[in-house]
Amino acid sequence: DSGVTQTPKHLITATGQRVTLRCSPRSGDLSVYWYQQSLDQGLQFLIQYYNGEERAKGNILERFSAQQFPDLHSELNLSSLELGDSALYFCASSHYAGGDTGELFFGEGSRLTVL
Amino acid sequence: AQSVAQREDQVNVAEGNPLTVKCTYSVSGNPYLFWYVQYPNRGLQFLLKYITGDNLVKGSYGFEAEFNKSQTSFHLKKPSALVSDSALYFCAVKGKGSQGNLIFGKGTKLSVKP
Repeated sequence: DSGVTQTPKHLITATGQRVTLRCSPRSGDLSVYWYQQSLDQGLQFLIQYYNGEERAKGNILERFSAQQFPDLHSELNLSSLELGDSALYFCASSHYAGGDTGELFFGEGSRLTVL
Repeated sequence: AQSVAQREDQVNVAEGNPLTVKCTYSVSGNPYLFWYVQYPNRGLQFLLKYITGDNLVKGSYGFEAEFNKSQTSFHLKKPSALVSDSALYFCAVKGKGSQGNLIFGKGTKLSVKP
């Protein structure tokens, strides 16, 4: 158990809908990262937050947004969903923003299926 | 830009034989390299990392990795494979500058047969 909690584990929805994925980082970790894993694109970095502030942005679509709350949990919002958004979405956490050399700790993922 | 390449989609090994999963990297500056493992329907688990120092890094579950600067490689190895090692293995490099994110390779599926 990595200590990173993601909900829901599975989600099935229709095209055009909006969903919210939630992540609670490990106790004491200030950074949260979101990744998307799909068969054709592999593991893609979406966005990083550190202590409530956006820190780095990767291949995140404009239809997607995220935020980190004062209690350090994070939410990834996916809107106007398309079939191609079906994927496994991972959250990871680390203590520092990036100046350290530490590894990331991953949650079990949220599997999104768009029908 | 920082990147890693895993050119083998799949590696097949017999149980008890040594295994190698290959990774090459391209970075500006000093490379911070990682290996992760993903079992079916699970999240990624950290195996080991190279930051500096000894080129042979030892990690979890008997895995080790060899950093080779001249060949820009960071291959994952294990002297004797187990069937339970069958999983998806990812090589990763730390993002540039103050970013903490990791940039992952496409992954290599390791299959260990009894």
